[in-house]
Amino acid sequence: NAGVTQTPKFQVLKTGQSMTLQCAQDMNHNSMYWYRQDPGMGLRLIYYSASEGTTDKGEVPNGYNVSRLNKREFSLRLESAAPSQTSVYFCASSGDAGTGGTEAFFGQGTRLTVV
Amino acid sequence: GENVEQHPSTLSVQEGDSAVIKCTYSDSASNYFPWYKQELGKGPQLIIDIRSNVGEKKDQRIAVTLNKTAKHFSLHITETQPEDSAVYFCAAPLFQGGNKLTFGGGTRVLVKP
Repeated sequence: NAGVTQTPKFQVLKTGQSMTLQCAQDMNHNSMYWYRQDPGMGLRLIYYSASEGTTDKGEVPNGYNVSRLNKREFSLRLESAAPSQTSVYFCASSGDAGTGGTEAFFGQGTRLTVV
Repeated sequence: GENVEQHPSTLSVQEGDSAVIKCTYSDSASNYFPWYKQELGKGPQLIIDIRSNVGEKKDQRIAVTLNKTAKHFSLHITETQPEDSAVYFCAAPLFQGGNKLTFGGGTRVLVKP
């Protein structure tokens, strides 16, 4: 049981380059999330998807785009990377709040450095 | 949306002692308060959560208390062990009734043998 799988684990980009972070979950969850983690600031929500075909902005969406490809996959794209986007990125998924399944399951993270 | 503050940012305890981490929240309608543990190089993992209809919940050496009037909740770890060394995050729903969580800034706990 893989849970939430993120690729790649590490990435170095030059300013202005683009890349897509991939995420897949095998728990049949409707909700998926992208967070970024910076020192001393906890995890901040970038984007959220409540179900296939829907996405919504979180606390810090600027500079990012997302795609909910199907129920399993939720990707995060940086169109023109900036040094301020250097961070550790986490994908997560959860069941529906109505069923009590609000626990979020996190992937291992992607450490991104923009130089 | 909800705002969560967490204290302290670092906590050093002697093995066997207790550790307490406190979080405050702003939205009195918030009803779900999870705690996550993050070990080095890994993603956060849920260790305990509490809903607003109870004041305390225990699971072996960890417990969470909730004071709705004061809008704060705390994580208590008793008889700390070296494997408790990690970063701990509290969280609350970003918006009322939703799945999206907002997190505190984290507490780095070091248990000294």
